[in-house]
Amino acid sequence: GAGVSQSPRYKVAKRGQDVALRCDPISGHVSLFWYQQALGQGPEFLTYFQNEAQLDKSGLPSDRFFAERPEGSVSTLKIQRTQQEDSAVYLCASSSPTGFPYEQYFGPGTRLTVT
Amino acid sequence: QKEVEQNSGPLSVPEGAIASLNCTYSDRGSQSFFWYRQYSGKSPELIMSIYSNGDKEDGRFTAQLNKASQYVSLLIRDSQPSDSATYLCAVKANAGKSTFGDGTTLTVKP
Repeated sequence: GAGVSQSPRYKVAKRGQDVALRCDPISGHVSLFWYQQALGQGPEFLTYFQNEAQLDKSGLPSDRFFAERPEGSVSTLKIQRTQQEDSAVYLCASSSPTGFPYEQYFGPGTRLTVT
Repeated sequence: QKEVEQNSGPLSVPEGAIASLNCTYSDRGSQSFFWYRQYSGKSPELIMSIYSNGDKEDGRFTAQLNKASQYVSLLIRDSQPSDSATYLCAVKANAGKSTFGDGTTLTVKP
């Protein structure tokens, strides 16, 4: 079946604008993760959903970031009042919690550039 | 100190050689361990997972885990130029978040 999809693939925002990034997980995967990846670094965890419940949001860097997954499938990561330091690739991943060792599969990412 | 440490490299090996990538982690509660391959400009691709001490082989790839030493490695046999990429090590304590290292860049020279 189809993998994880993300849109848009590229987003340029002016500082201060709000952005919304979308993730569509693998069908049947109840767990969904958002990560932020800066150039030359590994992905950094942002938040985790199991179905519609946000079980961990400890990685969200500020209250300008929030995520939702209202129906337990598609998720949106929203960044308000974007700053230059928000420029990064935002990666979404999904996994099935019934399948130890909980392998995660990534989407293609959204590259956000804040000017 | 990062929770997951990898040699940043770059690691360069000739075509046909064995490439050895290493990773150490600090959380003794970690239960599952992963290697991802990331080509430049692309997203991470899962290539191996391991959760029991010892070796796990899949084609040209072998993952090795030593929980007592908190050490995970990936061996790539008969390295090919197409293996040139950044390799990310990731660990999980449960079904929640993965913690990643910053990756090791591998170059395989023809």
